[in-house]
Amino acid sequence: NAGVTQTPKFQVLKTGQSMTLQCAQDMNHNSMYWYRQDPGMGLRLIYYSASEGTTDKGEVPNGYNVSRLNKREFSLRLESAAPSQTSVYFCASSEGGSFDYGYTFGSGTRLTVV
Amino acid sequence: QQQVKQSPQSLIVQKGGISIINCAYENTAFDYFPWYQQFPGKGPALLIAIRPDVSEKKEGRFTISFNKSAKQFSLHIMDSQPGDSATYFCAFTPVEGGSQGNLIFGKGTKLSVKP
Repeated sequence: NAGVTQTPKFQVLKTGQSMTLQCAQDMNHNSMYWYRQDPGMGLRLIYYSASEGTTDKGEVPNGYNVSRLNKREFSLRLESAAPSQTSVYFCASSEGGSFDYGYTFGSGTRLTVV
Repeated sequence: QQQVKQSPQSLIVQKGGISIINCAYENTAFDYFPWYQQFPGKGPALLIAIRPDVSEKKEGRFTISFNKSAKQFSLHIMDSQPGDSATYFCAFTPVEGGSQGNLIFGKGTKLSVKP
């Protein structure tokens, strides 16, 4: 049981380039999330999808777009990467509507924008 | 912007000691307060959570206590072990945009347990 799979694990971009971070879960979870983690800043919510077909902004959505492709997949797109977007990005999923199981996180994508 | 204030930022404890991490919030949509544990190079993982209408929960050496009137909750790690060395995050459900499962995280506490 793979849980939450993120690709790629590492990426270096030049300023202005675009890329899509992929996330897939195999637990039949309804809700999915994208967070970024920066030193001293903790985990900050970028976007979330409470259910298939819906997406909402989190704390730090500027410069990002998301697509909930189907129930399994939730992608994060950087249209024009900036050095301020250098971070570790985590995707997570949860049952949603339940306090029982919490979030399952992927292992992260370490992105560097130069 | 809703936040949860987590302290301390870092903590060094001797093996066998008690580790205490505190979090304070302003308003929450649900009295559900989970704690996540993260090891270097890994994603966070749910450690323990307290649900509505419960003021304390204990799982092995880990205990969450919740003071609703003070809007504070804390994690206690008894008999701390070197294997507990990790970063710990508290979380809560914001009132704005909140739904069951939408969490805002604290900035984290890096715990080091010395042998």
